Amino acid sequence: ETGVTQSPTHLIKTRGQQVTLRCSSQSGHNTVSWYQQALGQGPQFIFQYYREEENGRGNFPPRFSGLQFPNYSSELNVNALELDDSALYLCASSNARSGNQETQYFGPGTRLLVL
Amino acid sequence: GENVEQHPSTLSVQEGDSAVIKCTYSDSASNYFPWYKQELGKRPQLIIDIRSNVGEKKDQRIAVTLNKTAKHFSLHITETQPEDSAVYFCAASPLGGYNKLIFGAGTRLAVHP
Repeated sequence: ETGVTQSPTHLIKTRGQQVTLRCSSQSGHNTVSWYQQALGQGPQFIFQYYREEENGRGNFPPRFSGLQFPNYSSELNVNALELDDSALYLCASSNARSGNQETQYFGPGTRLLVL
Repeated sequence: GENVEQHPSTLSVQEGDSAVIKCTYSDSASNYFPWYKQELGKRPQLIIDIRSNVGEKKDQRIAVTLNKTAKHFSLHITETQPEDSAVYFCAASPLGGYNKLIFGAGTRLAVHP
């Protein structure tokens, strides 16, 4: 098992609400990436944080936002929830160095259900 | 745009047989190709990865091959066991200063005793 943890494990929200998901990266890692995994599909890249700055973003609207803290843990915030936001949200930590692709280690995920 | 196609979507083999999963990527600048195994309700776990300066990599019963010209890479599992049953995802990471992974849609592998 990796040292990446996520909370909460499960969450139920209603349309229009806001949600915050949390991720603690593996010790020694400075980068957190967030992915959305819909049922039966591969993870889709949301964005990445490197040293507290957003360092790349996938095709997700601005209501998906994030933060990274000095200890490299991270939050994913989703505003104005829609039914299609129901998915498993995965974070992955790595020790990225500029220009290199480094192994990403995934957390157990937060399963979000929007009713 | 960036895309990874993965085939087959499901694969059923008998214990002891080999299994091969194939992926094709669209971004020729991609230079890192990991494979993840995801068991039901669990996190994706890295099983093997390959970089674009290498054509083949092997780890016990698992091997990955990369053909950069064809933009194609494959996972080979030999002597399959029931515990190999899971969903396998390939991914490609485009060169660009950060670790974005583009995943395939996954292959559900069932190994029957």
